[in-house]
Amino acid sequence: QKEVEQNSGPLSVPEGAIASLNCTYSDRGSQSFFWYRQYSGKSPELIMFIYSNGDKEDGRFTAQLNKASQYVSLLIRDSQPSDSATYLCAVNPSSNTGKLIFGQGTTLQVKP
Amino acid sequence: DAGITQSPRHKVTETGTPVTLRCHQTENHRYMYWYRQDPGHGLRLIHYSYGVKDTDKGEVSDGYSVSRSKTEDFLLTLESATSSQTSVYFCAISETEVTEAFFGQGTRLTVV
Repeated sequence: QKEVEQNSGPLSVPEGAIASLNCTYSDRGSQSFFWYRQYSGKSPELIMFIYSNGDKEDGRFTAQLNKASQYVSLLIRDSQPSDSATYLCAVNPSSNTGKLIFGQGTTLQVKP
Repeated sequence: DAGITQSPRHKVTETGTPVTLRCHQTENHRYMYWYRQDPGHGLRLIHYSYGVKDTDKGEVSDGYSVSRSKTEDFLLTLESATSSQTSVYFCAISETEVTEAFFGQGTRLTVV
């Protein structure tokens, strides 16, 4: 079992729709969770981080964390073509060393 | 943008030659990381550093060594490059072991 799993996609949504990206992790003691966006040929860019159960909103982005079910999700409201990218879920394991474990990423395509 | 500079940005080298990649930061962050990114594998940690002269291995450390003699510089060395080390290498920094990591622009290394 992979430590951090994401559906590779591509996930295709029409412009203006809500995109829902999901991530599951295996280390139950993990404490911090991150979402990165990566455009083709570019470096990962931090979008959101979440530490506590529940929702965290930042503009059009909402991160959701459910530690009991060991999943974290990212919702993108009013999706734009510029949101088309690969979204990486990263988990800081229970050892809290900062050695982030990444999922393989979900490719999102927002169609005009 | 976090002050992280990777050099070189692109390099082609021959099998068996030594290669050193440099990561320089201006943020005075304690933690520095080297990742490689390959299709089908996502981002994988090679080595990380939690302070000057303090380093530890990551998931895919074989064939790589690192050094950190100053807070701002973290060097990754391939002692004898192999074709399997053809990849995109990213340096990342974080202030603490639980906070978000910021990535450099990446170095595309090709071993022929």
